[in-house]
Amino acid sequence: DTAVSQTPKYLVTQMGNDKSIKCEQNLGHDTMYWYKQDSKKFLKIMFSYNNKELIINETVPNRFSPKSPDKAHLNLHINSLELGDSAVYFCASSQGGYGNTIYFGEGSWLTVV
Amino acid sequence: DQQVKQNSPSLSVQEGRISILNCDYTNSMFDYFLWYKKYPAEGPTFLISISSIKDKNEDGRFTVFLNKSAKHLSLHIVPSQPGDSAVYFCAASDPLNNYGQNFVFGPGTRLSVLP
Repeated sequence: DTAVSQTPKYLVTQMGNDKSIKCEQNLGHDTMYWYKQDSKKFLKIMFSYNNKELIINETVPNRFSPKSPDKAHLNLHINSLELGDSAVYFCASSQGGYGNTIYFGEGSWLTVV
Repeated sequence: DQQVKQNSPSLSVQEGRISILNCDYTNSMFDYFLWYKKYPAEGPTFLISISSIKDKNEDGRFTVFLNKSAKHLSLHIVPSQPGDSAVYFCAASDPLNNYGQNFVFGPGTRLSVLP
């Protein structure tokens, strides 16, 4: 049973399109995240939700909009895709509070052409 | 501004020997640290963590050492096995920053364990 699952795993799309990546966790965690791994392989946090409430919103273009319908799901919608959005996007979850471990999904490889 | 640094992009070790992966940080408010392992085309997998109240934490073949005064931690893998070949990420969090949930990751070190 996959703990943090995200779909699709691979996505190739044209510039200007709108796309979504879905994420679900079955760990019972109350906090979910989106991380981006760029071409230099840095893992950087984009967003974090705790019990459906946005708690971390790093400097990310507002073309990126997270949506959390419930605490087990955190979807990422990207409008007007640009070439620079090509990256690997990782969903993750943890039990909220300090000192807890975050668990990652397998990643979604987005290529914008 | 890179708050978590892993200055060795890659490391090669012979099977059975010790692997030592290093991580340095600049933010003195960081006091909880984690190590992750990542295989190609997979997500990072949690390995081991340490909080600042300790200077060592051990789990099987993996031991993490923390030197707070030097702002340095290291991951020791003994003995190294070919299956340990992966990219290793160090991560840190600050309890006062978004309830400690804003984890900052280093750039990773690619470990190759040679048979």
